[in-house]
Amino acid sequence: QVQLQESGPGLVKPSETLSLTCTVSDGSITTYHWSWVRQPPGKGLEWIAHIFHSGITNYNPSLRSRATISLDTSRSQISLELKSVTAADTAVYYCARRHFGSGFSLDVWGRGTTVTVSS
Amino acid sequence: SYDLTQPPSVSVSPGQTATITCSGHKLEDMFVCWYQQKAGQSPELVVYQDTKRPLGIPERFSGSNSGNTATLTISGTQAMDEADYYCQAWDSSTVIFGGGTTLTVL
Repeated sequence: QVQLQESGPGLVKPSETLSLTCTVSDGSITTYHWSWVRQPPGKGLEWIAHIFHSGITNYNPSLRSRATISLDTSRSQISLELKSVTAADTAVYYCARRHFGSGFSLDVWGRGTTVTVSS
Repeated sequence: SYDLTQPPSVSVSPGQTATITCSGHKLEDMFVCWYQQKAGQSPELVVYQDTKRPLGIPERFSGSNSGNTATLTISGTQAMDEADYYCQAWDSSTVIFGGGTTLTVL
């Protein structure tokens, strides 16, 4: 079973850029499509962005201007950058794999990485 | 923007049937999936494409989608099913999550 491992800085200052990576354990990064999802403390899930293995991207309209998702196939990593962060960006950030087939569902999730935005 | 509405909480007695709804305009025109998230854990897919179960998900989990409402049904609810449940759909290349429902097994 593939494993996804998110990594990030833990603490980011307001107005700075948050950079996260997700490492795919089995090299299937060029076979599947991938998303980032976040969850603020005590709140629900929020989709951030999605990238097809072709490199085509989709973004949450509310985050489109600040977020960039990308693939590094040589390292089997999916990256997320979020610019100009504020306290509202404090959350657990998950990467997840899109399930094959019709519709859109995420069938494999990482354990998540906690990001706190604070000075 | 498209919204999915879930009840904040549902309670059920062990062994009974739990029903969690997810409402959205013409939701039946989209595929809906459901995630279970236990405390301190990552979400887990329990239903996809409205009615299908991933490998390893117990048969007591089932889904349906008709009109403006998708439903997750848990038959013979067990204590281990206590969790937050999220519906999710995909509209115009945008992924939408419902607000989540906390299932309490009393």
